[in-house]
Amino acid sequence: NAGVTQTPKFQVLKTGQSMTLQCAQDMNHNSMYWYRQDPGMGLRLIYYSASEGTTDKGEVPNGYNVSRLNKREFSLRLESAAPSQTSVYFCASRGLAGLEQFFGPGTRLTVL
Amino acid sequence: GQQLNQSPQSMFIQEGEDVSMNCTSSSIFNTWLWYKQEPGEGPVLLIALYKAGELTSNGRLTAQFGITRKDSFLNISASIPSDVGIYFCAGLRGNQFYFGTGTSLTVIP
Repeated sequence: NAGVTQTPKFQVLKTGQSMTLQCAQDMNHNSMYWYRQDPGMGLRLIYYSASEGTTDKGEVPNGYNVSRLNKREFSLRLESAAPSQTSVYFCASRGLAGLEQFFGPGTRLTVL
Repeated sequence: GQQLNQSPQSMFIQEGEDVSMNCTSSSIFNTWLWYKQEPGEGPVLLIALYKAGELTSNGRLTAQFGITRKDSFLNISASIPSDVGIYFCAGLRGNQFYFGTGTSLTVIP
């Protein structure tokens, strides 16, 4: 089992460009999450999906969109990247009855 | 938004020393969790706490769920170099996890 995988690992964008961060899990988990991590801020929730077909905003959703394509995949899209979106992005998943979130290795995004 | 305050922000200790860190919130959580993050990796769960007053151990790690349900504590005994990393607390409410600001631990051999 690969657990939670994220692509790409690194990305540099220019202001105004768009891109999609991909996340997939092979643990048959229901819930999936997207976080951003900035220095001194801990992890902040962008969006989450409690189950296939549902998505909800987290603490910092502005400038992002998500798609829960199926039970395995949860993508995060930046339509028009801004320098303030420079961050490390983590995807995580959680089983129906479990408390443990399993995190992917992260995507390091720089917006110039 | 909801932010959990962790202290200290960073610690530099000698190998073999004990470590204590804590996490406080302005609101109640029914579940507290502690994670460790190493450079270039995602956080990994260390300990989960399910009820007020609970004390749980995982090897050299011990965590407590505060009686008020607004705080939690993590202790690491007899630190070793591989304890280096950033430790995060998190509170669970509904489907959302709220993370603390992190405590960076450096262990000097």
